[in-house]
Amino acid sequence: QVQLQQSGAELVKPGTSVKLSCKASGYTFTSNHMNWIKQTTGQGLEWIGIINPGSGGTSYNVKFKGKATLTVDKSSSTAFMQLSSLTPEDSAVYYCARGGSSLFDYWGQGVMVTVSS
Amino acid sequence: DIMMTQSPLSVAVTPGESASISCRSSKSLLHSNGITYLSWYLQRPEKSPQLLIYQISNLASGVSGRFSGSGSGTDFTLKISRVETEDVGIYYCVQFLEVPWTFGGGTKLELK
Repeated sequence: QVQLQQSGAELVKPGTSVKLSCKASGYTFTSNHMNWIKQTTGQGLEWIGIINPGSGGTSYNVKFKGKATLTVDKSSSTAFMQLSSLTPEDSAVYYCARGGSSLFDYWGQGVMVTVSS
Repeated sequence: DIMMTQSPLSVAVTPGESASISCRSSKSLLHSNGITYLSWYLQRPEKSPQLLIYQISNLASGVSGRFSGSGSGTDFTLKISRVETEDVGIYYCVQFLEVPWTFGGGTKLELK
């Protein structure tokens, strides 16, 4: 069965970076795109960007360009998202979600990132 | 960006009765290929969102037939028949016509 297992909660300081992971199993990792989505109480759900694990090609929401960087490691079927220059506004739950073009069919369990000094 | 507006913000339903949730987009979601790129998700309490319906009315694998989607262009509806306890949560519509893909603000379904 398809599973997306995300890394654990992070407490990080302002101005630093954090790298989140999403390990895929139960399907051919390079056959499906991977998305990252941010959820906050105030802004709701926001799509951050998408990566093609086969080619490494990416597309970002303009709002998150320069903030998020998406990469993959095909050898471990893992997708990553690095968030840089963190501020309290980056505090959120972040999901990875498989799919794109017309749906997100599988989601990770989410990871809470808290940015605080 | 395409704006997605859902109504109502919340709905309380007696178990066994039906509920409808509306979603309106700021631009028609009909692509020139004939596909309308609108999907629905349910986020149960403390859980990740899950796919219910894609392309207006296609039921995702494993999703109960009590869920149905309809609409066209800019106006869409999710109907839940014979509401059950497991249907409690927040429902979101999402457009996939143009990046950035955008979400509605959500509709919270509660039981009376």
